Amino acid sequence: AQTVTQSQPEMSVQEAETVTLSCTYDTSESDYYLFWYKQPPSRQMILVIRQEAYKQQNATENRFSVNFQKAAKSFSLKISDSQLGDAAMYFCAYRRRGGGATNKLIFGTGTLLAVQP
Amino acid sequence: EPEVTQTPSHQVTQMGQEVILRCVPISNHLYFYWYRQILGQKVEFLVSFYNNEISEKSEIFDDQFSVERPDGSNFTLKIRSTKLEDSAMYFCASSESLYSYEQYFGPGTRLTVT
Repeated sequence: AQTVTQSQPEMSVQEAETVTLSCTYDTSESDYYLFWYKQPPSRQMILVIRQEAYKQQNATENRFSVNFQKAAKSFSLKISDSQLGDAAMYFCAYRRRGGGATNKLIFGTGTLLAVQP
Repeated sequence: EPEVTQTPSHQVTQMGQEVILRCVPISNHLYFYWYRQILGQKVEFLVSFYNNEISEKSEIFDDQFSVERPDGSNFTLKIRSTKLEDSAMYFCASSESLYSYEQYFGPGTRLTVT
């Protein structure tokens, strides 16, 4: 069975600084997606960034980038130039990819990020 | 921008009572999901629904749970006889198709069973 582990329950960063959130996963599949979702307080989860396992290039979305290490099964999120609005719970998630594959997301326990002004 | 909505935001019920949690997915989406998060634990998949039938369910989704799309817009999760351990945040999500990578989540319903 696939599992996702986030070992940092809480993190803190100063505004304008860079922070990295860690995620490891376990799977025997070769074709899958990895995601980072952000959940602001009392708001819905929104997708921050995704990575397809077959792509070697790390995904980037503005200030958000990932370090995807397929062999190590590691998928960390780097937030550059942190802003107050980045304060949220961040969830790492996994999903199998491919025809007929289940589309359920498997989540980690989340990392609560605080941004200090 | 279209959003998934859920009602109520908080539901308190007594053990043994039936509850129905409601969701309005994004209008052109075809796949619907329920997830739950017990306080301090992982977000867990419960069920996915397509073309008016369950496409996948987890071992959590036992006979006490059911889902329905009673009309063209609502998607509901019913818990027939609630237990204390059903207390959790329940999230609805939707996606355009099976192959869409993104699932869009609602804000959740906090269910408290007393």
